[in-house]
Amino acid sequence: AQKVTQAQTEISVVEKEDVTLDCVYETRDTTYYLFWYKQPPSGELVFLIRRNSFDEQNEISGRYSWNFQKSTSSFNFTITASQVVDSAVYFCALSERNNFNKFYFGSGTKLNVKP
Amino acid sequence: GAVVSQHPSWVICKSGTSVKIECRSLDFQATTMFWYRQFPKQSLMLMATSNEGSKATYEQGVEKDKFLINHASLTLSTLTVTSAHPEDSSFYICSAQRAGGISTDTQYFGPGTRLTVL
Repeated sequence: AQKVTQAQTEISVVEKEDVTLDCVYETRDTTYYLFWYKQPPSGELVFLIRRNSFDEQNEISGRYSWNFQKSTSSFNFTITASQVVDSAVYFCALSERNNFNKFYFGSGTKLNVKP
Repeated sequence: GAVVSQHPSWVICKSGTSVKIECRSLDFQATTMFWYRQFPKQSLMLMATSNEGSKATYEQGVEKDKFLINHASLTLSTLTVTSAHPEDSSFYICSAQRAGGISTDTQYFGPGTRLTVL
């Protein structure tokens, strides 16, 4: 079974629009980590955030915000006032207590921000 | 910050040849490095975990004799694709975890190496 599901394959928005990228995960562990990474066209994965399973506080970093809801097993990512430079593929990932080193990546969401 | 480099960034080789890809942590020591494979427009799949001074741990379905991993120092891990074939063409990404940290430390990813086998 897919541990991390990113149902949105591709999203296109116009600059300055807000956009939310969905991430739903599945795990039996009570201790786990969730991540978001950005992969621009150059290919390098850029770390955005890590959240542990015991911290459900939402986080805001500039135009980025994350909504973690254990009740729905979701860890959604919102970009406010999107910019062209936000265009990239965004990956959500999960690691579990039995092996925190092993990341389960979602299939990614390609975000296109048009000027 | 934590910087991980990979060399080469891209490589084209003939079928049957071997290709070596290097992964280096530039400003930190890494006892553990990870090798991922990414097919076009797909997600990253962990291939193996590379531990300095010991044998790599391969994920199920990954041929260890085909994908040789060596982690000879705290800043360098290499992945050698032996007798490469066109189906090995892919984007290979490494990541590194700081030495002396805990297992939950963040992994830092390299820029990837695009391998094309003709």
